[in-house]
Amino acid sequence: EIVMTQSPATVSVSPGERATLSCRASQSVSRKLAWYQQKPGQAPRLLIYGASTRATGIPARFSGSGSETEFTLTISSLQSEDFAVYYCQQYSNWSTFGQGTKVEFK
Amino acid sequence: QVQLVESGGGLVKPGGSLRLSCAASGFSFSDYYMSWIRQAPGKGLEWVSYISSSGTTIYYADSVKGRFTISRDNAKNSLYLQMSSLRAEDTAMYYCARDTIRGEFDYWGQGTLVTVSS
Repeated sequence: EIVMTQSPATVSVSPGERATLSCRASQSVSRKLAWYQQKPGQAPRLLIYGASTRATGIPARFSGSGSETEFTLTISSLQSEDFAVYYCQQYSNWSTFGQGTKVEFK
Repeated sequence: QVQLVESGGGLVKPGGSLRLSCAASGFSFSDYYMSWIRQAPGKGLEWVSYISSSGTTIYYADSVKGRFTISRDNAKNSLYLQMSSLRAEDTAMYYCARDTIRGEFDYWGQGTLVTVSS
């Protein structure tokens, strides 16, 4: 099983600031990596797939990068609606998720 | 618009059974792979099971293999998860999700809560 490790567990950011979230795979997943946003009481929402392609309707302030084992989700200028938990998912070998990074208000 | 609506969750005793359903609308259900994904209270996401568009290819996570059965009825635009021999660690919100051909999940239902407790 491919283990996905996200860091940090929590990041504190002020509105308008940049947030950088990391995701590491225990072995190469090529670019078969997705990012999701989950708000309390809601289902996850797909943000990014293929490591860097934004899903339909996702604002340009969300960007993804990386390949093989190291990936990054960047939120360029945090809006109030972006405070949430973010998960990465690899789909190279079955499907596994990271444990999540919480983006909280500083 | 794409909608996925789960139902069938509830409180069940250890060793018991439960059948979850997911009603799909707003897209051609028979063209898509589907999955069940769960989330234990306060925890992360765990993929549970996958079924191909025709229902001929099925996969399970090791944690549920032999206890859960995924199925679909394309005529009714519905996805199912039959769960048996339930354990406390199966307690979770269960989401159905549309699976793209690449492997990410582009639409999710709101989930149905399964609680396994005596």
